[in-house]
Amino acid sequence: KAGVTQTPRYLIKTRGQQVTLSCSPISGHRSVSWYQQTPGQGLQFLFEYFSETQRNKGNFPGRFSGRQFSNSRSEMNVSTLELGDSALYLCASRLGTGQTDTQYFGPGTRLTVL
Amino acid sequence: AQSVTQPDIHITVSEGASLELRCNYSYGATPYLFWYVQSPGQGLQLLLKYFSGDTLVQGIKGFEAEFKRSQSSFNLRKPSVHWSDAAEYFCAVGAVPWGKLQFGAGTQVVVTP
Repeated sequence: KAGVTQTPRYLIKTRGQQVTLSCSPISGHRSVSWYQQTPGQGLQFLFEYFSETQRNKGNFPGRFSGRQFSNSRSEMNVSTLELGDSALYLCASRLGTGQTDTQYFGPGTRLTVL
Repeated sequence: AQSVTQPDIHITVSEGASLELRCNYSYGATPYLFWYVQSPGQGLQLLLKYFSGDTLVQGIKGFEAEFKRSQSSFNLRKPSVHWSDAAEYFCAVGAVPWGKLQFGAGTQVVVTP
């Protein structure tokens, strides 16, 4: 079974621009979660989508948004980029129907904001 | 609110020696606990998980972890490390709703010859 894939792997943007990151979950998985990883703040939960609905949200400003499509693929959008948005963005998928579902992570998208 | 503490930011261990990484959690209910490993430039790989039952959990790559409710700990161990074990290790607790993982700050493991 193919793992979680994320595109692009690397991205360079300038302040004020917006960016869209994509995540394709493992086949059959209906839940996709997004995390931001920075040296200063570590791994922080952004949001989770299940069956095209946002089910949970972390403590991030409204510039961070996401969506999920009917095939469970998910996109994350960051508008009006700031220098502090430079990070590794990780996507994780799981079945989403059970309390004990394990999250499987993709390789991440490295975003650099100049 | 739930939290995870990994007291050791950095550990250096000799190849062939044993390794123990500490993890303490704070969670109001029965915790769902995980250990993930991250190699440079990579995503997170699941090493093992604890949901219930036997408190000693076996994982991949020869790792094991022991859940101790009385100490709120979930320490990771490996009897004999290999150079390929050099990586960053993260402990996490599954929060309700279950799509959210709360991670510790991570422990960087360096393996010397």
